[in-house]
Amino acid sequence: DTGVSQNPRHKITKRGQNVTFRCDPISEHNRLYWYRQTLGQGPEFLTYFQNEAQLEKSRLLSDRFSAERPKGSFSTLEIQRTEQGDSAMYLCASSLSSQSYSPLHFGNGTRLTVT
Amino acid sequence: KNEVEQSPQNLTAQEGEFITINCSYSVGISALHWLQQHPGGGIVSLFMLSSGKKKHGRLIATINIQEKHSSLHITASHPRDSAVYICAASSSNTGNQFYFGTGTSLTVIP
Repeated sequence: DTGVSQNPRHKITKRGQNVTFRCDPISEHNRLYWYRQTLGQGPEFLTYFQNEAQLEKSRLLSDRFSAERPKGSFSTLEIQRTEQGDSAMYLCASSLSSQSYSPLHFGNGTRLTVT
Repeated sequence: KNEVEQSPQNLTAQEGEFITINCSYSVGISALHWLQQHPGGGIVSLFMLSSGKKKHGRLIATINIQEKHSSLHITASHPRDSAVYICAASSSNTGNQFYFGTGTSLTVIP
């Protein structure tokens, strides 16, 4: 069981730089979610894909954020012109939509620090 | 107001104590999830339930659909139970988006 894999685990970047994170979901899962979590808070929804289609995007997601899932497998989340407020844990999760009630499987997250 | 509210926010218990964490939600749900998050970020799904009660080892989760309330119980708590416990509601009305509570930070003291 490979689980959901996220890379890198940690990223430190200077303000204004672009960063890209990768998520590899569980192979048979067709739904993929991105969340952001700050200290003391629960995960905040950013966006979600069903296969390669990005079906929903949070209003929290500014134009500096973009996510792709080009082949319906792995996904990337890019943040352009990073700001200090972007510092957070970025979590990826996947699930299988064919099940009536499908649990979420989370990756270990990518912790972003913008200096 | 959050769609999912948890209480308490922080909880400290002595080893062996019975622990209850509560979750109330305001959205229509297809399922209610209890998640465990350890320091370092990894999140593990403990339970997913839509009615009644589920038990796994020392953990018990219950849900009352009419009252829109769920509880997570830990019997005979142990220091290794120390973690953040998060309640999440999934709603099929919004593309199966999940609504998360802010979590309950549990510390079990030996």
